[in-house]
Amino acid sequence: QQQVKQSPQSLIVQKGGISIINCAYENTAFDYFPWYQQFPGKGPALLIAIRPDVSEKKEGRFTISFNKSAKQFSLHIMDSQPGDSATYFCAATLFGNEKLTFGTGTRLTIIP
Amino acid sequence: EAGVAQSPRYKIIEKRQSVAFWCNPISGHATLYWYQQILGQGPKLLIQFQNNGVVDDSQLPKDRFSAERLKGVDSTLKIQPAKLEDSAVYLCASSLDGGQGYEQYFGPGTRLTVT
Repeated sequence: QQQVKQSPQSLIVQKGGISIINCAYENTAFDYFPWYQQFPGKGPALLIAIRPDVSEKKEGRFTISFNKSAKQFSLHIMDSQPGDSATYFCAATLFGNEKLTFGTGTRLTIIP
Repeated sequence: EAGVAQSPRYKIIEKRQSVAFWCNPISGHATLYWYQQILGQGPKLLIQFQNNGVVDDSQLPKDRFSAERLKGVDSTLKIQPAKLEDSAVYLCASSLDGGQGYEQYFGPGTRLTVT
């Protein structure tokens, strides 16, 4: 009930391409969905987040698409750059409860 | 603004030994979290403090793990005795307030290897 499933486990994208990472959740009470970016040797850092009252949120090259009926959300990275190479985690939490449930992570590699 | 500090960065111990990790959160942050990140998995919350008090320790293996946050600032996480399955990165995070919408800032983590 508390799981967040993330795919793919790893992803290789050419520079300039679009990177897409998908997550699905089970608990319909979840209502805050952040994405974290983690570089080797560093802790995760908040990248972008969405509430279920909107279907899309865009910040620069990063966009979250949210499908409430399907209980799915995804991260799109436009014009992917080598500096975007990192591990990305989706997460979910309940309103008023800051306990984050993380997905298993996607290792993204952007090749020239 | 200084980030979340953790030490040591790396630790190798033998099973059944004890180990302690230290975390200094961002100044003024009331809420402190300890996460365990096993290789290939997302972080899992072990314990959450609000100032001095424990808010959630439901996933802390209390037979071997303990944590404290003295004076509502620094925190230590201890494992005694360690098992092979405790090998992981232990992340400390802090936030201004425990409420939703307040970003959690993570430290670099302590990589523990139990042999």
